[in-house]
Amino acid sequence: SQTIHQWPATLVQPVGSPLSLECTVEGTSNPNLYWYRQAAGRGLQLLFYSVGIGQISSEVPQNLSASRPQDRQFILSSKKLLLSDSGFYLCAWSNGQGQQPQHFGDGTRLSIL
Amino acid sequence: GESVGLHLPTLSVQEGDNSIINCAYSNSASDYFIWYKQESGKGPQFIIDIRSNMDKRQGQRVTVLLNKTVKHLSLQIAATQPGDSAVYFCAENTGRRALTFGSGTRLQVQP
Repeated sequence: SQTIHQWPATLVQPVGSPLSLECTVEGTSNPNLYWYRQAAGRGLQLLFYSVGIGQISSEVPQNLSASRPQDRQFILSSKKLLLSDSGFYLCAWSNGQGQQPQHFGDGTRLSIL
Repeated sequence: GESVGLHLPTLSVQEGDNSIINCAYSNSASDYFIWYKQESGKGPQFIIDIRSNMDKRQGQRVTVLLNKTVKHLSLQIAATQPGDSAVYFCAENTGRRALTFGSGTRLQVQP
């Protein structure tokens, strides 16, 4: 069966520091991969999605970037974090064939001090 | 989707009752819909989906109804249990590769 892993589960970082969040998927090949951010008490905002290695689409202009160095690895990065980058970051995958649900990891709670 | 800040709509039901959670969508081109359940501190969990060529789909204790005429989606949970307490999101696919999520409804089950 397919599984998705995100780490770390929680992270506290100072303003201006770099960021690297990692997401890996097991049990499937060539998945679509997604990064979302969720503010407290709100829905999910799509940040990036990828349909293949090295292919990244950005949904909103921001201080973050994404990379997909391997088929089942998706990384969210920042060179200098802002206070507004605090939030709950979720990675998801879906099968690239037709209408399929997205499956989420358990997220990383990022607090910027 | 729209944001309602920290004050999510809340549905409070008694254990054993049926729950109905509603969702309105705005894009008439949406052709695929999903319901997710999110417990505190966890990622959304897939519950059930429905395609636009259907108006009803049933799972274990859950039923999703789709009314394309009024662009309305509902999730019915039969015999609600304390473990059903969570935030529920609807999501729609508008033909893009990603989903558009609603702002969520909090379900509280009273024992």
